[in-house]
Amino acid sequence: DQQVKQNSPSLSVQEGRISILNCDYTNSMFDYFLWYKKYPAEGPTFLISISSIKDKNEDGRFTVFLNKSAKHLSLHIVPSQPGDSAVYFCAALDNTDKLIFGTGTRLQVFP
Amino acid sequence: DAGVIQSPRHEVTEMGQEVTLRCKPISGHDYLFWYRQTMMRGLELLIYFNNNVPIDDSGMPEDRFSAKMPNASFSTLKIQPSEPRDSAVYFCASTLGGVTGKETQYFGPGTRLLVL
Repeated sequence: DQQVKQNSPSLSVQEGRISILNCDYTNSMFDYFLWYKKYPAEGPTFLISISSIKDKNEDGRFTVFLNKSAKHLSLHIVPSQPGDSAVYFCAALDNTDKLIFGTGTRLQVFP
Repeated sequence: DAGVIQSPRHEVTEMGQEVTLRCKPISGHDYLFWYRQTMMRGLELLIYFNNNVPIDDSGMPEDRFSAKMPNASFSTLKIQPSEPRDSAVYFCASTLGGVTGKETQYFGPGTRLLVL
């Protein structure tokens, strides 16, 4: 059973528009969430994180929103750029400090 | 720093053969993680080490899988015997751990394993 779910396997967005990637989790004890980005033939790289004491964290074009009551978080990229095309993994830190990853969403940003 | 180094980058083997994946973490990092990526389950943690000691191997799927970390700069993940369902991308990651455990993990490029 997946504790962290990314229900959209892929997303296609035009350059300059907003990309919204969604993630749901089932364990209300999760208190720290991260997004990793992965390019083909490379390992995932850390992108942005958020603690459960916040509902928003922003870093340049990337913003993560957390809705604890809905057990939902989202990553917004605005404006989207072709270089953002990658697979994005949502992850949660469990109570043993292990990362629980989702299955990923492949984002394609086209010109 | 060269980052996390994994070898081989690609491995094709036949069912029943032994497979050994290798990882060199970033120098100075005291945590090392082995992950497996599949389409169905995404990134799954298999095992992790702290200061060369295995801490949690609950993600190791079967006894066919074993991992070692003989020193701070080297770890292996072994599958014996390998099966077609083991085909996946295997990632190694390392981090400098701290009290909060929220430190960024740095991933290697992965080993793509295909078991025929």
